[in-house]
Amino acid sequence: NAGVTQTPKFQVLKTGQSMTLQCAQDMNHNSMYWYRQDPGMGLRLIYYSASEGTTDKGEVPNGYNVSRLNKREFSLRLESAAPSQTSVYFCASSERQGLEAFFGQGTRLTV
Amino acid sequence: GQSLEQPSEVTAVEGAIVQINCTYQTSGFYGLSWYQQHDGGAPTFLSYNALDGLEETGRFSSFLSRSDSYGYLLLQELQMKDSASYFCVTSGGSYIPTFGRGTSLIVHP
Repeated sequence: NAGVTQTPKFQVLKTGQSMTLQCAQDMNHNSMYWYRQDPGMGLRLIYYSASEGTTDKGEVPNGYNVSRLNKREFSLRLESAAPSQTSVYFCASSERQGLEAFFGQGTRLTV
Repeated sequence: GQSLEQPSEVTAVEGAIVQINCTYQTSGFYGLSWYQQHDGGAPTFLSYNALDGLEETGRFSSFLSRSDSYGYLLLQELQMKDSASYFCVTSGGSYIPTFGRGTSLIVHP
């Protein structure tokens, strides 16, 4: 089983550039999440999707958009990258309000 | 909102037992989870408590007291590979999981 697959693993952007992070899960989970992790911090929720067709803002949504393409896929888009968005991004899927989640390997983004 | 408090760092020697505490404040409560994260890696799910008491999984155990808004992760027979960050996570009425800032466990030989 692949679990949660997240691409790319590394990305360098210039200020103002755009990009999309892709995430796919093969565990038939309803809920999917995008987090960011900064040094010395826990994970902060950017957006989540409780089920196919729904998306909601998390703790730090500004500067990001998401698309729940189908039950398997949940993408995160940065329309105009800023240095403050330099971080490690993790996608996750879960069935238990996010309390038993499976994570992708992360994307290290530098702006 | 939700908030969690856990120590920033804990040190122990190989073979010992260590306890990582977590206190939380949340409106509504669906449980307390623990994750392990090695440097450069992704968080990995360790355990979940929805009800009071102790859950045991091999060398790791997790405890919850809902009346005290408190839980802990207990690691026994520590090994060098247990050096990692450990996060407690809770989810309240909003269904949004919230992570604590993490506890860095350093295991010395």
